[in-house]
Amino acid sequence: GAVVSQHPSRVICKSGTSVKIECRSLDFQATTMFWYRQFPKQSLMLMATSNEGSKATYEQGVEKDKFLINHASLTLSTLTVTSAHPEDSSFYICSARDRLAGAEWVTKNIQYFGAGTRLSVL
Amino acid sequence: GQNIDQPTEMTATEGAIVQINCTYQTSGFNGLFWYQQHAGEAPTFLSYNVLDGLEEKGRFSSFLSRSKGYSYLLLKELQMKDSASYLCAVRDQSGGSYIPTFGRGTSLIVHP
Repeated sequence: GAVVSQHPSRVICKSGTSVKIECRSLDFQATTMFWYRQFPKQSLMLMATSNEGSKATYEQGVEKDKFLINHASLTLSTLTVTSAHPEDSSFYICSARDRLAGAEWVTKNIQYFGAGTRLSVL
Repeated sequence: GQNIDQPTEMTATEGAIVQINCTYQTSGFNGLFWYQQHAGEAPTFLSYNVLDGLEEKGRFSSFLSRSKGYSYLLLKELQMKDSASYLCAVRDQSGGSYIPTFGRGTSLIVHP
């Protein structure tokens, strides 16, 4: 299956610092990548949809100036948590959708997930 | 949006069969996914249903009834490593986004 690499897997930082998380599709091209946030025993909450070469689409309630997303190529998207605070501590997961031509993309458009990044802000 | 409901927790015995249900409400249904997620790890894809019926893949099977807004994931010959959270996700085509919404997940505990 498709492989999505997410780095780093764990970050511990001081309050006020910025943290960058990378998400790469290793063996396929992803015009669209997604960023999720998950609190313990909760579901995946979509934060934003990242499209290659254009601005990300943020979900309601997600601060775009706080969570900066850059999707510079078909295989890389980055999420930067700016001026992180303890309440930003969470498990951040990216996923990528394989780019398929024609009508197949709707039926076979499966999301593949990275391993996640556990952010702890002290 | 979607309203996805699945049990919070289930327990089962090694070697047994367990069925995890998922009900949903959506205006533009365009597929249902099941993912497995072990604690502290990212979800891994298990199955995809867009038409009514049963999809079988080894020990795991997934069923869909679009008219009832209902799906289940069936796990056979349970193994200890099957202890994980199982996420039901429904994709909606409203607005052209085709982005799945995830349920809260069902935590399955398999004991000897």
